[in-house]
Amino acid sequence: GAVVSQHPSWVICKSGTSVKIECRSLDFQATTMFWYRQFPKQSLMLMATSNEGSKATYEQGVEKDKFLINHASLTLSTLTVTSAHPEDSSFYICSASRGIGTEAFFGQGTRLTVV
Amino acid sequence: GEDVEQSLFLSVREGDSSVINCTYTDSSSTYLYWYKQEPGAGLQLLTYIFSNMDMKQDQRLTVLLNKKDKHLSLRIADTQTGDSAIYFCAESSMFSGGYNKLIFGAGTRLAVHP
Repeated sequence: GAVVSQHPSWVICKSGTSVKIECRSLDFQATTMFWYRQFPKQSLMLMATSNEGSKATYEQGVEKDKFLINHASLTLSTLTVTSAHPEDSSFYICSASRGIGTEAFFGQGTRLTVV
Repeated sequence: GEDVEQSLFLSVREGDSSVINCTYTDSSSTYLYWYKQEPGAGLQLLTYIFSNMDMKQDQRLTVLLNKKDKHLSLRIADTQTGDSAIYFCAESSMFSGGYNKLIFGAGTRLAVHP
């Protein structure tokens, strides 16, 4: 099977600091990675789509300067929450796929708490 | 835009069947998915159905698709306590941005009691 790993699983940070979350495809090359955000008892909302080697495509309403996404290799994408505030506290989940038309595999998620 | 709706909560007795329902609005949906999320974990793909099918069975899971009514259901036979989780319905289509760009429902929390 295809394994996608996120790190860290949970993180607590102080308001105003930046936090980086990693998403790695362990046993396949991920041409495309997706970042989702999940609020308590709500659905997953797609934040952005990233293709290896190019700029991420952000969904409407998502601040690209606040949520920096880098997809520098076929096995790693990172999401950096810059100048985090308590309202950024959420569960962030990534998924990765080999390409258009192929299944996307999900990471285990990262719970971010900003205090 | 696309929308996917589910009931939020379902409680069943162990051994009974569970039926989780989902409706969607995008008539161009190509794939419809069911994911399972256990507490604090990511999403696990349970099964999916292509839009030209009306039923798919996989062991204890049966997916029914009524494309005319845009209604999808997941039936879990002989529900066990290990099935307690949140179940997400999701859809994708080329017209919503790609086959693996998923639109999720809010999730149905399944509670299994003895």
